Amino acid sequence: AQSVTQLGSHVSVSEGALVLLRCNYSSSVPPYLFWYVQYPNQGLQLLLKYTSAATLVKGINGFEAEFKKSETSFHLTKPSAHMSDAAEYFCAVSPTPLVFGKGTRLSVIA
Amino acid sequence: NAGVTQTPKFQVLKTGQSMTLQCAQDMNHNSMYWYRQDPGMGLRLIYYSASEGTTDKGEVPNGYNVSRLNKREFSLRLESAAPSQTSVYFCASSERTGITTDTQYFGPGTRLTVL
Repeated sequence: AQSVTQLGSHVSVSEGALVLLRCNYSSSVPPYLFWYVQYPNQGLQLLLKYTSAATLVKGINGFEAEFKKSETSFHLTKPSAHMSDAAEYFCAVSPTPLVFGKGTRLSVIA
Repeated sequence: NAGVTQTPKFQVLKTGQSMTLQCAQDMNHNSMYWYRQDPGMGLRLIYYSASEGTTDKGEVPNGYNVSRLNKREFSLRLESAAPSQTSVYFCASSERTGITTDTQYFGPGTRLTVL
């Protein structure tokens, strides 16, 4: 069975600092991996997804993630945090239906 | 193009009452899903419908029933609400049946409190 583990339920960074949100997966078959973002009082929206075409995936709002098979990881990064990045972030793994991690809340400090 | 819509946005029930959460999508998607979101638990799948006419249990189906009314609509029913069902409920849809790379599109959620 597939699963994902998000390390850190809450991450706090200063505005302009690097954002790093960690996700490790477990899968018996080659996985497809997703990052979703949830802004306060809203539904989830897709940030980016890995579908085996390229290991470095670029998403919306300057986020990117790198698939590392040897480390079973799919960490989300952004070079410079903005106040508007404050949200909850979910890593998810296929098969459909998706299996979601428990989420990481990102706070951005001015 | 409204995407995925959910009604109601908020609901308060007493223990034992029943209600139906409505979900509709206007993207002609085949697959639809119901999740619940609880603090520290992430999203957990309740039921899903891979295509019109089919429904399957997810991780936490107990206490819920679903109906795929047509291709657009997928409802979630609580027959006898319990405080443990206090949660935020999200409906989602994806375009193709069984395609694991398809993006899921989410509705805005229904906040349900059971007293």
